[in-house]
Amino acid sequence: AQKVTQAQTEISVVEKEDVTLDCVYETRDTTYYLFWYKQPPSGELVFLIRRNSFDEQNEISGRYSWNFQKSTSSFNFTITASQVVDSAVYFCALSEAMNGNKLVFGAGTILRVKS
Amino acid sequence: ETGVTQTPRHLVMGMTNKKSLKCEQHLGHNAMYWYKQSAKKPLELMFVYNFKEQTENNSVPSRFSPECPNSSHLFLHLHTLQPEDSALYLCASSQGAGQAYNEQYFGPGTRLTVT
Repeated sequence: AQKVTQAQTEISVVEKEDVTLDCVYETRDTTYYLFWYKQPPSGELVFLIRRNSFDEQNEISGRYSWNFQKSTSSFNFTITASQVVDSAVYFCALSEAMNGNKLVFGAGTILRVKS
Repeated sequence: ETGVTQTPRHLVMGMTNKKSLKCEQHLGHNAMYWYKQSAKKPLELMFVYNFKEQTENNSVPSRFSPECPNSSHLFLHLHTLQPEDSALYLCASSQGAGQAYNEQYFGPGTRLTVT
């Protein structure tokens, strides 16, 4: 069965620090997709990125970067030079091709960025 | 962003009441979802509708009754709820009904309190 583990319940950093959010997943499928979502205090989950299991290339988007490593079943998310507006709950999620559009989420990591 | 809207945003109901949550997506998607987000549990998938047909019921109690009259609208009818049903109920939609690839777009949620 598919499973996503976000071991960090809560992280607090000071503005401008770099922070990495960990995500470890379990799946028996060879074709799967990994996602990161951001949930600000308003409640609405915002899609950040999707990676498929055949593409291990790391990705950078502005201050955000993602490190996908199949060897360790991890899909970690780094925010460089964090800002107060980055404060939110971040969720990692997994869908398997064999299970269609069923998305399984990790428990989430609360990120607090202090000024 | 008004891609996925949910009403009401907040709802307080007694255990004997009957109420309904409404979700509408303006993105032209053909899959819709209900999720439950409790304080101490990960985001839980409740129901999946692909092309208006229910394709997933994640062992949800019958006191929750979904309805999907068309690809743009999704309802969650509530009756005889328990205090432990108090949570944030999130609606989402995606393209490619039944496909694992597509990211989901979420509404702001309905904060439900059962007294």
